[in-house]
Amino acid sequence: AQSVTQLDSHVSVSEGTPVLLRCNYSSSYSPSLFWYVQHPNKGLQLLLKYTSAATLVKGINGFEAEFKKSETSFHLTKPSAHMSDAAEYFCVVSTGTSFGNEKLTFGTGTRLTIIP
Amino acid sequence: ETGVTQSPTHLIKTRGQQVTLRCSSQSGHNTVSWYQQALGQGPQFIFQYYREEENGRGNFPPRFSGLQFPNYSSELNVNALELDDSALYLCASSSSQNYEQYFGPGTRLTVT
Repeated sequence: AQSVTQLDSHVSVSEGTPVLLRCNYSSSYSPSLFWYVQHPNKGLQLLLKYTSAATLVKGINGFEAEFKKSETSFHLTKPSAHMSDAAEYFCVVSTGTSFGNEKLTFGTGTRLTIIP
Repeated sequence: ETGVTQSPTHLIKTRGQQVTLRCSSQSGHNTVSWYQQALGQGPQFIFQYYREEENGRGNFPPRFSGLQFPNYSSELNVNALELDDSALYLCASSSSQNYEQYFGPGTRLTVT
């Protein structure tokens, strides 16, 4: 079974400093991996996705993630945090290999707090 | 292009009652998935519908059921509500172009 583990339940950084949110995955084959963000009382928004193309994936709002097969990791980074980045972040793996037959398995989430 | 919409926004029900939640897919999407997000947790996959048929189910009992209509809108029905069913219910739609699922804002269900 495929799964993801988010290593930190809560991360606090100062505004303007780098952000690192850690995620490890477990998969028997090359997975499709995603990062989603959820702001308070809002739905989930896709930040970026990895689907076996380039290992460094760039997303929206300056976020990027690197797929490292040797480390089974897919960490999310941003060079400089902004107050608007404060939210819950979910690392997600997609199971299933054909369209119309996939589901998303979410990690437990990392709450990012930005200190002014 | 309209996004995924869900109704109602909030709902309060009593234990033992039945509830129906609704979802309108993003234009051009023919697959819809439903997720349950309990407070402080990540979303859990309930089931997925593709071309009006259930196409994958998570670890949820049969009292959770769904429908997908020809216009690709969808319903989630929950019978015999339990207190633990209190959660945010999220609907996501996707197309045949990629694996990206686009989420609606969710319906907050409270069971008392």
